Amino acid sequence: QQQVKQSPQSLIVQKGGISIINCAYENTAFDYFPWYQQFPGKGPALLIAIRPDVSEKKEGRFTISFNKSAKQFSLHIMDSQPGDSATYFCAASYYGGSQGNLIFGKGTKLSVKP
Amino acid sequence: NAGVTQTPKFQVLKTGQSMTLQCAQDMNHEYMSWYRQDPGMGLRLIHYSVGAGITDQGEVPNGYNVSRSTTEDFPLRLLSAAPSQTSVYFCASSPFGWEAFFGQGTRLTVV
Repeated sequence: QQQVKQSPQSLIVQKGGISIINCAYENTAFDYFPWYQQFPGKGPALLIAIRPDVSEKKEGRFTISFNKSAKQFSLHIMDSQPGDSATYFCAASYYGGSQGNLIFGKGTKLSVKP
Repeated sequence: NAGVTQTPKFQVLKTGQSMTLQCAQDMNHEYMSWYRQDPGMGLRLIHYSVGAGITDQGEVPNGYNVSRSTTEDFPLRLLSAAPSQTSVYFCASSPFGWEAFFGQGTRLTVV
């Protein structure tokens, strides 16, 4: 049972464009939604996270949009740069709960063309 | 500050062999976990620990054992390696249980 569904699997964007990655979750008890960024040969690193009490969170060029009623959240990368080329994972968890409940999507490989 | 350190970085095993993947963190985090990453499958939780002496199973625990005798270390043991365990393994630690800090990974091939 896949509790977090992520799309698309891969994404090609021109430099300066907007990259959009979408995730949907099933368990309404989830209340913490992080995005991780992974470069080849490296471990995933936390990029940005949101809790459902807000509909949007922005950190620099990265924005999470959250739609609680639709059980969906998305990552927007503005002014995408070649250095943003990486695999992005969304995840869902219970805020304050056991780390064992961090459920990941299957990932999106982003390529930003110069 | 080293963060989460995994050893070895690469390993080739023969079917049936056993080995231990090491994970150490120097951030005094209570929570630690092991994930495996396979193409198109994302990160799947193998085992996790909420503190020294406490471990529990994740989504894909079969074929793996863990123990947590200290806060710093969380080794993952493969009892009898199988080709299906060929994967990249990541160890992670967390101060609060949800913001995970990952190691660099161990790429394991079972032939």
